[in-house]
Amino acid sequence: ILNVEQSPQSLHVQEGDSTNFTCSFPSSNFYALHWYRWETAKSPEALFVMTLNGDEKKKGRISATLNTKEGYSYLYIKGSQPEDSATYLCACPGAGNNRKLIWGLGTSLAVNP
Amino acid sequence: DGGITQSPKYLFRKEGQNVTLSCEQNLNHDAMYWYRQDPGQGLRLIYYSQIVNDFQKGDIAEGYSVSREKKESFPLTVTSAQKNPTAFYLCAIIINPTIISNQPQHFGDGTRLSIL
Repeated sequence: ILNVEQSPQSLHVQEGDSTNFTCSFPSSNFYALHWYRWETAKSPEALFVMTLNGDEKKKGRISATLNTKEGYSYLYIKGSQPEDSATYLCACPGAGNNRKLIWGLGTSLAVNP
Repeated sequence: DGGITQSPKYLFRKEGQNVTLSCEQNLNHDAMYWYRQDPGQGLRLIYYSQIVNDFQKGDIAEGYSVSREKKESFPLTVTSAQKNPTAFYLCAIIINPTIISNQPQHFGDGTRLSIL
Protein backbone atom coordinates (compact mmCIF):
# COMPACT_ATOMS: atom_id res chain seq x y z
CA ILE A 1 0.00 0.00 0.00
CA LEU A 2 1.40 3.38 -1.02
CA ASN A 3 2.10 5.60 1.97
CA VAL A 4 2.65 9.32 1.53
CA GLU A 5 4.11 11.09 4.54
CA GLN A 6 4.65 14.76 5.20
CA SER A 7 6.80 16.50 7.78
CA PRO A 8 6.64 18.47 9.86
CA GLN A 9 2.97 18.28 10.78
CA SER A 10 2.93 22.00 11.58
CA LEU A 11 5.27 24.92 11.35
CA HIS A 12 5.27 28.45 12.71
CA VAL A 13 7.58 31.03 11.14
CA GLN A 14 8.00 34.79 11.21
CA GLU A 15 7.22 36.96 8.25
CA GLY A 16 10.28 37.13 6.02
CA ASP A 17 11.65 33.73 7.04
CA SER A 18 12.28 31.13 4.41
CA THR A 19 11.02 27.66 5.14
CA ASN A 20 10.75 24.20 3.68
CA PHE A 21 8.96 20.96 4.31
CA THR A 22 9.07 17.42 3.06
CA CYS A 23 6.89 14.88 1.31
CA SER A 24 8.10 11.26 1.35
CA PHE A 25 6.81 8.47 -0.83
CA PRO A 26 7.89 4.99 -1.95
CA SER A 27 10.45 5.30 -4.74
CA SER A 28 9.25 2.19 -6.57
CA ASN A 29 6.48 2.50 -9.19
CA PHE A 30 6.61 6.29 -9.09
CA TYR A 31 4.31 8.15 -11.48
CA ALA A 32 3.97 11.70 -10.24
CA LEU A 33 4.02 13.94 -7.20
CA HIS A 34 1.38 16.60 -6.62
CA TRP A 35 1.61 19.63 -4.31
CA TYR A 36 -1.46 21.60 -3.24
CA ARG A 37 -2.06 24.60 -1.01
CA TRP A 38 -5.20 24.63 1.12
CA GLU A 39 -6.05 27.93 2.76
CA THR A 40 -8.67 28.08 5.48
CA ALA A 41 -12.20 28.59 4.14
CA LYS A 42 -11.04 27.97 0.58
CA SER A 43 -10.66 24.91 -1.61
CA PRO A 44 -7.31 23.17 -2.24
CA GLU A 45 -5.34 24.77 -5.04
CA ALA A 46 -2.91 22.85 -7.21
CA LEU A 47 0.66 24.18 -7.03
CA PHE A 48 2.78 21.68 -8.93
CA VAL A 49 2.68 18.28 -10.57
CA MET A 50 6.15 16.81 -10.88
CA THR A 51 7.13 13.68 -12.74
CA LEU A 52 10.88 13.61 -13.48
CA ASN A 53 13.71 12.90 -11.08
CA GLY A 54 15.59 16.14 -10.44
CA ASP A 55 12.59 18.21 -11.51
CA GLU A 56 12.41 21.66 -10.00
CA LYS A 57 9.37 23.90 -10.35
CA LYS A 58 8.73 27.45 -9.23
CA LYS A 59 5.66 29.62 -8.74
CA GLY A 60 6.48 33.03 -7.34
CA ARG A 61 8.21 32.56 -3.99
CA ILE A 62 7.30 28.87 -3.83
CA SER A 63 9.43 26.18 -5.40
CA ALA A 64 9.61 22.41 -5.24
CA THR A 65 12.20 19.75 -5.98
CA LEU A 66 11.79 16.06 -6.65
CA ASN A 67 14.03 13.08 -5.93
CA THR A 68 12.32 9.95 -7.20
CA LYS A 69 15.30 7.67 -6.46
CA GLU A 70 15.20 8.35 -2.74
CA GLY A 71 11.49 9.08 -2.61
CA TYR A 72 11.10 12.66 -1.43
CA SER A 73 10.08 16.12 -2.54
CA TYR A 74 10.82 19.43 -0.83
CA LEU A 75 8.60 22.47 -0.95
CA TYR A 76 10.37 25.77 -0.29
CA ILE A 77 8.85 29.14 0.49
CA LYS A 78 11.20 32.10 0.25
CA GLY A 79 10.48 35.14 2.41
CA SER A 80 7.25 33.82 3.94
CA GLN A 81 4.29 36.18 4.08
CA PRO A 82 1.15 35.92 6.23
CA GLU A 83 -0.84 35.05 3.11
CA ASP A 84 1.28 31.90 2.76
CA SER A 85 -0.40 30.53 5.88
CA ALA A 86 -2.15 27.36 4.75
CA THR A 87 -1.95 23.60 4.83
CA TYR A 88 0.32 22.22 2.13
CA LEU A 89 -0.67 18.79 0.85
CA CYS A 90 1.21 16.36 -1.32
CA ALA A 91 -0.19 13.33 -3.10
CA CYS A 92 1.00 10.51 -5.32
CA PRO A 93 -0.94 8.31 -7.70
CA GLY A 94 -1.27 4.76 -6.42
CA ALA A 95 -1.05 1.53 -8.35
CA GLY A 96 -3.69 0.37 -10.78
CA ASN A 97 -5.10 1.65 -14.03
CA ASN A 98 -6.81 4.65 -12.51
CA ARG A 99 -3.84 5.89 -10.48
CA LYS A 100 -6.01 7.31 -7.73
CA LEU A 101 -4.22 9.91 -5.64
CA ILE A 102 -2.95 8.92 -2.22
CA TRP A 103 -2.77 11.99 0.00
CA GLY A 104 -0.44 12.96 2.80
CA LEU A 105 -1.79 14.53 5.98
CA GLY A 106 -0.33 17.91 5.13
CA THR A 107 1.98 20.45 6.73
CA SER A 108 0.15 23.32 8.40
CA LEU A 109 2.12 26.55 8.01
CA ALA A 110 1.42 29.65 10.08
CA VAL A 111 3.32 32.83 9.19
CA ASN A 112 3.29 35.43 11.94
CA PRO A 113 3.41 39.10 10.90
CA ASP B 1 -12.53 27.24 -8.24
CA GLY B 2 -15.19 29.28 -10.05
CA GLY B 3 -16.13 26.43 -12.42
CA ILE B 4 -16.99 23.90 -9.73
CA THR B 5 -19.94 24.51 -7.45
CA GLN B 6 -20.68 22.50 -4.37
CA SER B 7 -23.85 22.98 -2.39
CA PRO B 8 -24.91 23.39 0.24
CA LYS B 9 -21.95 24.77 2.17
CA TYR B 10 -23.31 23.34 5.43
CA LEU B 11 -25.68 20.41 5.81
CA PHE B 12 -27.22 18.73 8.80
CA ARG B 13 -28.46 15.17 8.81
CA LYS B 14 -30.88 13.55 11.17
CA GLU B 15 -30.48 9.93 12.23
CA GLY B 16 -31.74 7.55 9.56
CA GLN B 17 -31.94 10.23 6.91
CA ASN B 18 -30.37 10.23 3.46
CA VAL B 19 -28.88 13.51 2.29
CA THR B 20 -27.51 14.52 -1.10
CA LEU B 21 -24.55 16.78 -1.72
CA SER B 22 -24.40 18.56 -5.02
CA CYS B 23 -21.37 19.01 -7.28
CA GLU B 24 -21.79 20.86 -10.55
CA GLN B 25 -19.14 21.93 -13.06
CA ASN B 26 -19.35 24.07 -16.15
CA LEU B 27 -15.85 23.31 -17.38
CA ASN B 28 -16.87 20.39 -19.61
CA HIS B 29 -14.48 18.02 -17.85
CA ASP B 30 -15.05 14.31 -17.83
CA ALA B 31 -13.51 13.08 -14.58
CA MET B 32 -15.10 13.98 -11.25
CA TYR B 33 -14.22 12.84 -7.73
CA TRP B 34 -15.68 12.88 -4.24
CA TYR B 35 -13.39 13.04 -1.23
CA ARG B 36 -13.99 13.04 2.47
CA GLN B 37 -11.74 14.83 4.94
CA ASP B 38 -11.66 14.08 8.67
CA PRO B 39 -9.46 15.76 11.26
CA GLY B 40 -6.02 14.16 11.38
CA GLN B 41 -6.57 12.18 8.19
CA GLY B 42 -5.64 12.74 4.58
CA LEU B 43 -8.23 13.14 1.87
CA ARG B 44 -9.96 9.82 1.22
CA LEU B 45 -11.63 8.95 -2.05
CA ILE B 46 -15.29 7.97 -1.88
CA TYR B 47 -16.33 7.63 -5.52
CA TYR B 48 -15.10 8.81 -8.88
CA SER B 49 -16.45 8.99 -12.39
CA GLN B 50 -14.44 9.24 -15.57
CA ILE B 51 -17.36 9.48 -17.96
CA VAL B 52 -21.11 9.97 -18.02
CA ASN B 53 -23.13 6.96 -16.83
CA ASP B 54 -20.06 5.33 -15.29
CA PHE B 55 -18.59 5.57 -11.81
CA GLN B 56 -16.26 3.57 -9.60
CA LYS B 57 -15.96 3.00 -5.89
CA GLY B 58 -13.08 4.64 -4.12
CA ASP B 59 -11.51 3.56 -0.86
CA ILE B 60 -14.44 4.33 1.45
CA ALA B 61 -17.58 3.92 -0.66
CA GLU B 62 -19.65 2.06 1.94
CA GLY B 63 -22.69 4.07 2.99
CA TYR B 64 -22.50 6.38 -0.03
CA SER B 65 -24.02 6.37 -3.49
CA VAL B 66 -23.52 8.51 -6.59
CA SER B 67 -24.95 9.04 -10.04
CA ARG B 68 -23.53 10.55 -13.22
CA GLU B 69 -26.49 11.11 -15.52
CA LYS B 70 -25.09 14.36 -16.87
CA LYS B 71 -21.51 15.40 -17.55
CA GLU B 72 -21.81 18.51 -15.45
CA SER B 73 -23.28 16.89 -12.35
CA PHE B 74 -21.99 14.27 -9.90
CA PRO B 75 -24.20 14.23 -6.78
CA LEU B 76 -23.20 12.27 -3.70
CA THR B 77 -25.83 10.73 -1.44
CA VAL B 78 -24.87 9.98 2.14
CA THR B 79 -27.19 7.18 3.14
CA SER B 80 -28.38 6.13 6.57
CA ALA B 81 -25.96 3.20 6.29
CA GLN B 82 -23.06 5.63 6.73
CA LYS B 83 -22.75 5.56 10.49
CA ASN B 84 -20.18 8.32 10.82
CA PRO B 85 -21.06 10.90 8.18
CA THR B 86 -19.77 13.98 9.98
CA ALA B 87 -16.95 15.27 7.80
CA PHE B 88 -15.94 17.81 5.19
CA TYR B 89 -16.74 16.65 1.65
CA LEU B 90 -14.84 17.88 -1.39
CA CYS B 91 -15.65 17.43 -5.05
CA ALA B 92 -12.86 17.61 -7.62
CA ILE B 93 -12.38 17.40 -11.36
CA ILE B 94 -9.46 16.81 -13.68
CA ILE B 95 -9.06 17.94 -17.24
CA ASN B 96 -7.75 14.85 -19.00
CA PRO B 97 -8.97 11.54 -17.57
CA THR B 98 -6.66 9.50 -19.78
CA ILE B 99 -3.54 10.78 -18.01
CA ILE B 100 -4.88 10.90 -14.48
CA SER B 101 -1.56 10.66 -12.65
CA ASN B 102 -0.13 13.82 -14.23
CA GLN B 103 -3.19 15.99 -14.03
CA PRO B 104 -3.78 18.39 -11.12
CA GLN B 105 -7.16 18.16 -9.49
CA HIS B 106 -9.38 21.22 -9.19
CA PHE B 107 -11.63 21.38 -6.16
CA GLY B 108 -14.95 22.89 -5.17
CA ASP B 109 -15.36 24.80 -1.92
CA GLY B 110 -16.69 21.79 -0.04
CA THR B 111 -19.71 20.85 2.04
CA ARG B 112 -19.51 20.37 5.78
CA LEU B 113 -21.94 17.69 6.94
CA SER B 114 -22.94 17.30 10.56
CA ILE B 115 -25.27 15.01 12.48
CA LEU B 116 -28.15 16.61 14.36
